[in-house]
Amino acid sequence: NAGVTQTPKFQVLKTGQSMTLQCAQDMNHNSMYWYRQDPGMGLRLIYYSASEGTTDKGEVPNGYNVSRLNKREFSLRLESAAPSQTSVYFCASSVGPTEDTQYFGPGTRLTVL
Amino acid sequence: QKEVEQNSGPLSVPEGAIASLNCTYSDRGSQSFFWYRQYSGKSPELIMFIYSNGDKEDGRFTAQLNKASQYVSLLIRDSQPSDSATYLCAVKNQAGTALIFGKGTTLSVSS
Repeated sequence: NAGVTQTPKFQVLKTGQSMTLQCAQDMNHNSMYWYRQDPGMGLRLIYYSASEGTTDKGEVPNGYNVSRLNKREFSLRLESAAPSQTSVYFCASSVGPTEDTQYFGPGTRLTVL
Repeated sequence: QKEVEQNSGPLSVPEGAIASLNCTYSDRGSQSFFWYRQYSGKSPELIMFIYSNGDKEDGRFTAQLNKASQYVSLLIRDSQPSDSATYLCAVKNQAGTALIFGKGTTLSVSS
C-alpha cells in the first residue's frame, strides 16, 4: 500500500515549457488535491477534485490545469511554465470532500528558469 | 480572503519542556481545525484534529480550541529533539471542501 505517490520528484524547466505532474493514490479515496508550498507562504490550494469527474479551483489556480483521469489519478499541468511557478507541489487525497484527514504525497520540487 | 495566522518562529525549547504553538483564524464559521507536522524536505502529516471547544489530548499532544476567540493551540509536553519540525495549523473552509493552511511555526527542541 503505497499511499499517495507523485512523479517526478524533481524537475527543472525553462520558461515557456510545459509539463504534467502526476499523482496517484491506492487508498480508494474519492477526493484529491493539489497544493503548492513556497517559503514563507505555507501551503496553498491550486485545484481539487471532490470526486471522480469533478474539479474545482482553489486559491491559486492561474497558470494550471488539472485532470481527474480516474478515481486513482489526478494530474496537474503547467501549459507555459513561469519562474513564479517555482515551488514544491504536493498532492493529497481524502476519503471524501468533507472527510478531514488528508494524506499527502512526497512532493515534486519544480524549478523554472 | 479567509486567513489562518501563525507565528513563524523559530520557537526554541529545551528537551523535556512544554512547547506551545498558537494559531488564529478569521472565518467565524469554521468548524474543523487541524495540526500537521512537517519535517524539513518532507510532506505534511496529520497530528491531530479538533472540532469542539475545549481540549483534546493524544499522548504528549494536546489541541485546544476556543471558537469565541477564534484561536487554536497545540501543546507538546515533554518535548523531544525529534519534535523539531514545522507545525502547520489548518482550518476547513465553510463549504467543508478544502483546508486553509497557516504559514507554519518552526519548532526547535534542543537536547
